Amino acid sequence: EVQLVESGGGLVQPGGSLRLSCAASGFRFSSYEMNWVRQAPGKGLEWVSYITSSGSTIYYADSVKGRFTISRDNAKNSLYLQMNSLRAEDTAVYYCARKTVTWFDYWGQGTQVIVSS
Amino acid sequence: SDVLTQPPSVSVAPGKTARITCGGNNIGSKSVHWYQQKPGQAPVLVIYYDSDRPSGIPERFSGSNSGNTATLTINRVEAGDEADYHCQVWESNSHHVVFGGGTKLTVL
Repeated sequence: EVQLVESGGGLVQPGGSLRLSCAASGFRFSSYEMNWVRQAPGKGLEWVSYITSSGSTIYYADSVKGRFTISRDNAKNSLYLQMNSLRAEDTAVYYCARKTVTWFDYWGQGTQVIVSS
Repeated sequence: SDVLTQPPSVSVAPGKTARITCGGNNIGSKSVHWYQQKPGQAPVLVIYYDSDRPSGIPERFSGSNSGNTATLTINRVEAGDEADYHCQVWESNSHHVVFGGGTKLTVL
């Protein structure tokens, strides 16, 4: 059974940093492209970042470029999102999602990030 | 980046047909995917490649895509279909993902 489990969320002050993790199981993690998607309270889904299976190619939404860094450790079946210079508008539930062709076939349950003083 | 426009809400009586649209410039030339999201839960893929259903998704769910509008159709709507529905495309040029704003389906 495919499972994606996010962790690392919490309350952080504006300007602070947080590192999210996503532990994958039930599939060959190293063969799949992965993404982070977030959802602000009461809002729609917003794509955040993408990484290829090898980690060699990475893309970011303009809203997070220069502040967030996506990475992966295929030996540990894990995906990460390092978030720096956090702003109030980064407050959201963050999901990791497995990409197949051009859609997301599996999602984690999400981890809550609150940026507030 | 593409902009995908969805109606904020759609209401339908049980047993009737719900149609949720996703508008975008020449969206018919792209592959559109749809997700169902119930309160407090992660999104679930219900339609991919415009009209294909993943295993486990009822045949009541179907999709179409042409011109400037993609449509998710839910036949014989049930109370359990009440959820937010999100459309999504992958921009091949920029390798970015775009979601519509989401539509809240209310079953009356």
